[in-house]
Amino acid sequence: SAVISQKPSRDICQRGTSLTIQCQVDSQVTMMFWYRQQPGQSLTLIATANQGSEATYESGFVIDKFPISRPNLTFSTLTVSNMSPEDSSIYLCSVLLSGRSYEQYFGPGTRLTVT
Amino acid sequence: QKEVEQDPGPLSVPEGAIVSLNCTYSNSAFQYFMWYRQYSRKGPELLMYTYSSGNKEDGRFTAQVDKSSKYISLFIRDSQPSDSATYLCAMSAIGGGGNKLTFGTGTQLKVEL
Repeated sequence: SAVISQKPSRDICQRGTSLTIQCQVDSQVTMMFWYRQQPGQSLTLIATANQGSEATYESGFVIDKFPISRPNLTFSTLTVSNMSPEDSSIYLCSVLLSGRSYEQYFGPGTRLTVT
Repeated sequence: QKEVEQDPGPLSVPEGAIVSLNCTYSNSAFQYFMWYRQYSRKGPELLMYTYSSGNKEDGRFTAQVDKSSKYISLFIRDSQPSDSATYLCAMSAIGGGGNKLTFGTGTQLKVEL
């Protein structure tokens, strides 16, 4: 498995501002993912972040709203831009361990409230 | 219709009971099937995974996949209060890449003393 940390663990933000969430892994991984988890709904994949290439966004998510950086094999950031109350959610990063293509491991999540 | 359907519960059982958690799906391309456990205010924790049809056992947990019926199950034997959590099923249609997961909404389980 992998040890994954996220910062911040929670935040309350004003409408119209931006928040950057950090994800740190204790080992080098090729693929990292960002998910959103809203109450009563499935985890929804926002984007896949591979080191050395542009992030791949899922339908309904755009780079201007959720820019992602992946500067190295152990770190990624997700920014939630120009926030509205609808962005209130839990944001989770996950990693795919090299050689274990079906096992994703999740961080503890960032609980975001937009007022 | 959602690709993955999961009864949200909540499901309440007495300690020691056998618990059955289930998901149905519509995408016949799904090959990998996973169960995650999520405690309150924590990230999902991978419990079990299976490939294609069949059973897999790990301690008190058994995962079962019936691809012909597009139905997967997780059984918990001798349930404990520490099993109280939300259980999420997840599926992937990609083998070698194994990246995109499609999740159910989760079933909230409470095991009572």
